[in-house]
Amino acid sequence: GNSVTQMEGPVTLSEEAFLTINCTYTATGYPSLFWYVQYPGEGLQLLLKATKADDKGSNKGFEATYRKETTSFHLEKGSVQVSDSAVYFCAPLKAAGNKLTFGGGTRVLVKP
Amino acid sequence: ETGVTQSPTHLIKTRGQQVTLRCSSQSGHNTVSWYQQALGQGPQFIFQYYREEENGRGNFPPRFSGLQFPNYSSELNVNALELDDSALYLCASSLEPSEGQYFGPGTRLTVT
Repeated sequence: GNSVTQMEGPVTLSEEAFLTINCTYTATGYPSLFWYVQYPGEGLQLLLKATKADDKGSNKGFEATYRKETTSFHLEKGSVQVSDSAVYFCAPLKAAGNKLTFGGGTRVLVKP
Repeated sequence: ETGVTQSPTHLIKTRGQQVTLRCSSQSGHNTVSWYQQALGQGPQFIFQYYREEENGRGNFPPRFSGLQFPNYSSELNVNALELDDSALYLCASSLEPSEGQYFGPGTRLTVT
C-alpha cells in the first residue's frame, strides 16, 4: 500500500521567509499526488495536485513538482505570510479504491 | 455550488453508546469517503461509498459501518463506542479521483 514520509514539525518561520516541506512516498504505480492544508479547528482544504511525472501543481503561491525518480512531492512557497500558519499534509492517491493516504502532517508557524 | 457539509459539529457520547454522523456531498459528487483524525495525527481512511455501494475499507472494525443514499449523502455509524474513538471524523466527496477529494469541516466526537 501507499505510505508517506513528511518532515516533522513544527516549522517556525518569519514572515516573507522561504518555506519548503519535504514529502516522499512509496506507492504501487504512479499515484496522483496532493497537498492538503488544515487551518486550526477546520477540515482539510485541497491546496494543489499533480497527476503525472514532472507535473507542477500550484495554488496561492505554493508549488510542488511530481518527481517520479525520487518519489517526492516537496511543497514550496517563496514568501510566507502569517495566514499560512497551518498543518500541511502530503497525500498520494491509491488508484484502486480512490483512497488517500496521509502522513502525520507538518505544522507551520509563521511569525510576524 | 454547495460544499461538503457535516453534522453535527460536536458530539459527546458515553462509552458503549452508538453514534451516527452525517455528510452531504458536494453537488454532483457520487463518491463519499470517511476518515478518522485523532488529535495531532493525519486522517486515517475508514471506508468509501460509490453510488450507494461500499468501495473500499480501511483497517477499522465492523462496528464502524456506513450508508450512502440515492442523493449521495452518507452516514457513518459507530457502535459500542470506545474511548479511543474520540477524534475528528471527516467526510470527503469526489467525482473524478484525479481531481482530488473535497473535505467537510468534520464532526468532533468525544467519548467519555
